[in-house]
Amino acid sequence: GAVVSQHPSRVICKSGTSVKIECRSLDFQATTMFWYRQFPKQSLMLMATSNEGSKATYEQGVEKDKFLINHASLTLSTLTVTSAHPEDSSFYICSFEDEGTDTQYFGPGTRLTVL
Amino acid sequence: GQQLNQSPQSMFIQEGEDVSMNCTSSSIFNTWLWYKQDPGEGPVLLIALYKAGELTSNGRLTAQFGITRKDSFLNISASIPSDVGIYFCAGHPGGYQKVTFGTGTKLQVIP
Repeated sequence: GAVVSQHPSRVICKSGTSVKIECRSLDFQATTMFWYRQFPKQSLMLMATSNEGSKATYEQGVEKDKFLINHASLTLSTLTVTSAHPEDSSFYICSFEDEGTDTQYFGPGTRLTVL
Repeated sequence: GQQLNQSPQSMFIQEGEDVSMNCTSSSIFNTWLWYKQDPGEGPVLLIALYKAGELTSNGRLTAQFGITRKDSFLNISASIPSDVGIYFCAGHPGGYQKVTFGTGTKLQVIP
């Protein structure tokens, strides 16, 4: 399966600051990738879908101005949490989709803690 | 968003026992995927199923794509302690539609 990396693996920041999370596909290119959020003991919640070269599509209830997504290339996407607040503390996971098989390959996740 | 019905929600089993979990949906899927998630990690793909009726194995894991395309099951044979984790199913309708994830099955293995 595909290898996806995420950086950083965990980050602690002060309330009001912005945090950028990088997601890279190491061994294949994908035009479509996804950002998820996961709360403890819950399943994955899709935040947004991004296609390389176009604007991301956000799920209902996800603020696009707060969670900025840049799908810079076929192997790199970034999620920036702007003006972070304690309620933004969560586990953020990206995935790339192999469109030939509709199979998603996930990154290892980023644990964000906002103080 | 929409979620698949996955059962059981959690299970405790003795090491060496076989395990079975399943997912059901009200809508049909073209692809069924099974993932395992360890604490603090992202989900890792275990098995991908692309055809109704397909039965696929990966070591001690076996998964089947239901003939109605609305369900799938995952079996783990002769469980070991490292099987502990949360298992998620996922269904993809195909095309430009989005994948839907199950609610997860938390597996705990008693040595």
